[in-house]
Amino acid sequence: DARVTQTPRHKVTEMGQEVTMRCQPILGHNTVFWYRQTMMQGLELLAYFRNRAPLDDSGMPKDRFSAEMPDATLATLKIQPSEPRDSAVYFCASGLVLSRRHEQYFGPGTRLTVT
Amino acid sequence: DQQVKQNSPSLSVQEGRISILNCDYTNSMFDYFLWYKKYPAEGPTFLISISSIKDKNEDGRFTVFLNKSAKHLSLHIVPSQPGDSAVYFCAASARETSGSRLTFGEGTQLTVNP
Repeated sequence: DARVTQTPRHKVTEMGQEVTMRCQPILGHNTVFWYRQTMMQGLELLAYFRNRAPLDDSGMPKDRFSAEMPDATLATLKIQPSEPRDSAVYFCASGLVLSRRHEQYFGPGTRLTVT
Repeated sequence: DQQVKQNSPSLSVQEGRISILNCDYTNSMFDYFLWYKKYPAEGPTFLISISSIKDKNEDGRFTVFLNKSAKHLSLHIVPSQPGDSAVYFCAASARETSGSRLTFGEGTQLTVNP
C-alpha cells in the first residue's frame, strides 16, 4: 500500500528557530506539492515540483521558506527563522501526471507550533 | 480571490439519507474537478473526480455532478453512513494552463448522525 510519508508528525519550536519538514513521495510519482492548512486559509499551496525541478513557489514567503528535492525520494520544506504565524499543519502530496488525470495523494501532515 | 468556494461550512444528515455537498468555481479555465475527504489528524484522501467533458461520474455510493454553465459541482453520498463524517474539500485544476496544481475550496464538515 503506497503512501506519502512525512516527518516529523508534530513539531513544537520557539520563535527564531529553524524547522525542517521532510516528505517521501510515492515511488514513481513525478510531482510533489507542499500545502499549508490553517483555520483561516483552508489548503494553501506553497510550492510544487515536477521531476524534482521547482515549478512554482509563489505561495511561499521567500525570505524565510525554502523547498527542495535533493533526490526523487525526498522533499524538504525549511523555515528559517520560524515565527508564531507559521503555526499550521503542513501537508506534502505527490502525484503522477499521466493521461490527464491529476489526483494528488497526501501525507498525514506535520503539525507545527511556533511559540 | 477565492476561485473555488464551498459556501456551507457544515452539513448534518441522518444515517441512510442523502448527503449533498456543493461547490462553486469562478475560473472558466478549470477543466478537472476532484473531491477529497479529510479525517482529523490525517491528510486529505482522494475520493472521486470528474473531467469537464462529462457531467456525471459515479463510484459506489459517491456521485459527482458537474454543471459547467452554472460553474457548479456537487457530491452526492447515498446512503450516508456515520463513517462518512469528515471534512470534504472540492478542488479544481486548469490542466492546460496550470498543469497539475489544484485550487481547493475551504471545506465542508459533514456529520452523519446514527
